[in-house]
Amino acid sequence: QVQLQQSGPGLVKPSQTLSLTCAISGDSVSSNSAAWNWIRQSPSRGLEWLGRTYYRSKWYNHYAVFVKSRIIINPDTSKNQFSLHLNSVTPEDTAVYYCARSGGPLDYWGQGTLVTVSS
Amino acid sequence: QSVLTQPPSASGTPGQRVTISCSGSSSNIGSNNANWYQQLPGTAPKLLIYNNNQRPSGVPDRFSGSKSGTSASLAISGLQSEDEADYYCAAWDASLNGHWVFGGGTKLTVL
Repeated sequence: QVQLQQSGPGLVKPSQTLSLTCAISGDSVSSNSAAWNWIRQSPSRGLEWLGRTYYRSKWYNHYAVFVKSRIIINPDTSKNQFSLHLNSVTPEDTAVYYCARSGGPLDYWGQGTLVTVSS
Repeated sequence: QSVLTQPPSASGTPGQRVTISCSGSSSNIGSNNANWYQQLPGTAPKLLIYNNNQRPSGVPDRFSGSKSGTSASLAISGLQSEDEADYYCAAWDASLNGHWVFGGGTKLTVL
C-alpha cells in the first residue's frame, strides 16, 4: 500500500519560499512507472496541478505554466521523498497543498498541508 | 474558473440514483481518461473512478462512471448518507506541454 506523508511549515511570509516534503512508502521515487506530483486547493481557485517529477532512465521535471518561473520539484532518492519549493509567494498562494502519485490517474495522495502566506 | 465544468451542487434522497456531469474539451476528456474523486471535509481527495469507468479496490459498485466524447459522468445508485461529500472530475490535458486539470467540484447533499 502506497502512503505519502507530507511535512513542512504552515505559515510563510510574503516574498519568501514555500517548502514542503513528501515522504514515500510502498513505492520508490525512482519508479519507472510513476510520477510524483504537487497539487494545491483553495476556495477561490479550486484544485490546481503545480508540477511533477519522474524518472525514465533520467530525471524529468514538468511544471504548470502559471508557476513555471517560481517552482522547483526535487526528488531525493536517499530518503525516498520529493519536495516542493515555491518562491516569491504572495497571499494568493495560500492553499492546502497535496502531494500525489500518478501511475495513470492521481491515485495516492498525501494528507494535505494548509500553507498560509501572511506577515 | 476550472477547466472542467461540473454543476456546483446535486442532491438526492437515500436509495435514489444521482448523476454528476463533467464537461471538458478535445484536449482533455476528449482524448484522455476521466477520473473521479470523492472528498470528505478536511481530507484529501480519494480516487473513486479511474480510466472512465474503473473502480479501485474497495470502492462499492454503487459508484459507476462513463464517458462520451468530451464529457464524463459519475453515477451513484442506492444513495447513502455517507455519500454526502464533494466530487471532482479530473483528466490529463495535452495542451501547454500537458498538465492535470480538474472540475470545480460538485457538493452532493443527501436529503
